[in-house]
Amino acid sequence: GEDVEQSLFLSVREGDSSVINCTYTDSSSTYLYWYKQEPGAGLQLLTYIFSNMDMKQDQRLTVLLNKKDKHLSLRIADTQTGDSAIYFCAENVDSGTYKYIFGTGTRLKVLA
Amino acid sequence: ETGVTQTPRHLVMGMTNKKSLKCEQHLGHNAMYWYKQSAKKPLELMFVYSLEERVENNSVPSRFSPECPNSSHLFLHLHTLQPEDSALYLCASSQDRATRKYNEQFFGPGTRLTVL
Repeated sequence: GEDVEQSLFLSVREGDSSVINCTYTDSSSTYLYWYKQEPGAGLQLLTYIFSNMDMKQDQRLTVLLNKKDKHLSLRIADTQTGDSAIYFCAENVDSGTYKYIFGTGTRLKVLA
Repeated sequence: ETGVTQTPRHLVMGMTNKKSLKCEQHLGHNAMYWYKQSAKKPLELMFVYSLEERVENNSVPSRFSPECPNSSHLFLHLHTLQPEDSALYLCASSQDRATRKYNEQFFGPGTRLTVL
C-alpha cells in the first residue's frame, strides 16, 4: 500500500545542519513536498521537488531525491531555534485524484 | 481575514453530542480538504471537495459528515463520536489540480477536538 515513513524526532544544536529523512512507496508520484508545522498552527509548504530532479536548493534548504531507493531528505543548513517545528514529508499520488499521502512528521528540536 | 480560518479552535464534546467544525478560505481556491492529525500517526486525509463536489472519501466512519455549500466554506458535522476520535482536525484548500503543475495546499490552524 501507499505509505510515507519518517522518524519521529530529531535534535540538533543551533548552527549545525539538520537532515530529515523520508521514504515513500508510490513510484508514480510526480511531486514530493516538505511542509512545516509550528506550534498551534497548520502546515505550511516549505519546498517541493519534481520527480525528475535529484536536488533542489532554496537558501538554507536542500532537498535530495533518490528515486531508485524512494528516499527524500531535507537538509537545513545553519539550523536556528526558529526552525524548531514538525516537518512533514508528503507525496502527491498522480493518478488523477487529489490523493496526498503524508508521513507522521518529524519533530525537530534545536538546542541553543 | 486572510488565508484559511477554522472555528472553533478547541472543542470538547461528549459521545452523544452533535457539533460542527467550520472552515473558511479567503484565497479563491476551489478545492478543500479535511485532515485528521493524531500523535505519532501519519496525517490522514479524510475528505476532498473540488468545485463543491466530493472527490475523495477515505473510508471515514459515517459519524463524520462533510458539507461544502460553496467553494469558500467547508463543514465537518460530528455525531456520536468516540474517544479515539480526539485529534487535531485540519482544513486545507488549494487550486484545482488541473490548473497548476504542483498543488500547494494552504492549511488552517486546526480544531483541537476532545471527545469525553
